[in-house]
Amino acid sequence: AQSVSQHNHHVILSEAASLELGCNYSYGGTVNLFWYVQYPGQHLQLLLKYFSGDPLVKGIKGFEAEFIKSKFSFNLRKPSVQWSDTAEYFCAVTDSGSARQLTFGSGTQLTVLP
Amino acid sequence: DGGITQSPKYLFRKEGQNVTLSCEQNLNHDAMYWYRQDPGQGLRLIYYSQIVNDFQKGDIAEGYSVSREKKESFPLTVTSAQKNPTAFYLCASSISGALESNQPQHFGDGTRLSIL
Repeated sequence: AQSVSQHNHHVILSEAASLELGCNYSYGGTVNLFWYVQYPGQHLQLLLKYFSGDPLVKGIKGFEAEFIKSKFSFNLRKPSVQWSDTAEYFCAVTDSGSARQLTFGSGTQLTVLP
Repeated sequence: DGGITQSPKYLFRKEGQNVTLSCEQNLNHDAMYWYRQDPGQGLRLIYYSQIVNDFQKGDIAEGYSVSREKKESFPLTVTSAQKNPTAFYLCASSISGALESNQPQHFGDGTRLSIL
């Protein structure tokens, strides 16, 4: 069974600081990778996804993530965070044997101080 | 607007009672899913259904049951056998549950269940 690790449980940054949230997965085969975001009081929504091609993917709101196959990683980055980025971020992965079952990481709570 | 509707938003029940959480989607999606979200544990899959009248257990199906009699509806029943039912429950759907599909899942707003 695959697993997803998000090592940072809570990250606190000041506005304009750079962000990198770690995500590592355990499956060695072909994977699809996702980052979801849950803003306070809102439902989970897709931030960005990787299926194939360019390992550097760009999502909404200035976020990007880089798939590094050799490191089994899909870290989320943003050059300059804003107060409105305060939310919980979830990394998720599906593999070729999961029949569309998403395996989620435990989430990282990002707090951006104004 | 198309989307996923979960109701109610908050639900309280006495210990030992079964409770059913509603999930309706008007996205014409084939596949529907139920997740449980607990603090510090992310989302865990309870049940999923790739097509009407078919469903499979996820990672934590014990103490739960589902039905998929209609494409747009996927209700989840939390039975008295579920040892720790207090949690936040999320329903999701995707266009297809097929392996070759690359459509991400769309989520509802969730139902917070509290057992008194």
